[in-house]
Amino acid sequence: AQSVTQLGSHVSVSEGALVLLRCNYSSSVPPYLFWYVQYPNQGLQLLLKYTTGATLVKGINGFEAEFKKSETSFHLTKPSAHMSDAAEYFCAVSEDAGKSTFGDGTTLTVKP
Amino acid sequence: DVKVTQSSRYLVKRTGEKVFLECVQDMDHENMFWYRQDPGLGLRLIYFSYDVKMKEKGDIPEGYSVSREKKERFSLILESASTNQTSMYLCATGGGYYGYTFGSGTRLTVV
Repeated sequence: AQSVTQLGSHVSVSEGALVLLRCNYSSSVPPYLFWYVQYPNQGLQLLLKYTTGATLVKGINGFEAEFKKSETSFHLTKPSAHMSDAAEYFCAVSEDAGKSTFGDGTTLTVKP
Repeated sequence: DVKVTQSSRYLVKRTGEKVFLECVQDMDHENMFWYRQDPGLGLRLIYFSYDVKMKEKGDIPEGYSVSREKKERFSLILESASTNQTSMYLCATGGGYYGYTFGSGTRLTVV
């Protein structure tokens, strides 16, 4: 069975600071890994994904994530936070043909 | 781009009512999913479908049913709404290698 743990339900950073959102997964087979972002009162939007190949993947809005198999991690980073990055972020894993399992989410607050 | 449209953004229903949540996708995707989202619990899978007239239970199917008569439409049905079904409901299509495309969500309040 697959599972996802997001460390820290709330993360607060200053504008211009590094953003680091942590995600660890459990999967019995090589997984597909995803990060999604959700702005208030909206659905989720795909930020980036890892499927195969290069372990450092780049997404929209300057975010990137690195797949580390030995650590079963897929942490999300952005070098410099912007006020518009304030949102809830979800890590997800998929090993079945379609279904994904989501973490509980991390709310990112960006302080001016 | 694939678009997923959920018929209502906000709904208020009474306890015991039968509630229909509609979801339509504008691409030829086989897979469709219904999740509910609650604070601190992330997204939990209610039902999913890999093809017309096909359905599979997810992790929390109790109190819900689904219908998929056409490939583009996937309906979630609350047979007899209860207050513990107050939640945000999210429809998605795609999955697997592609990841999901989500609708905007329906915030349902049962009073």
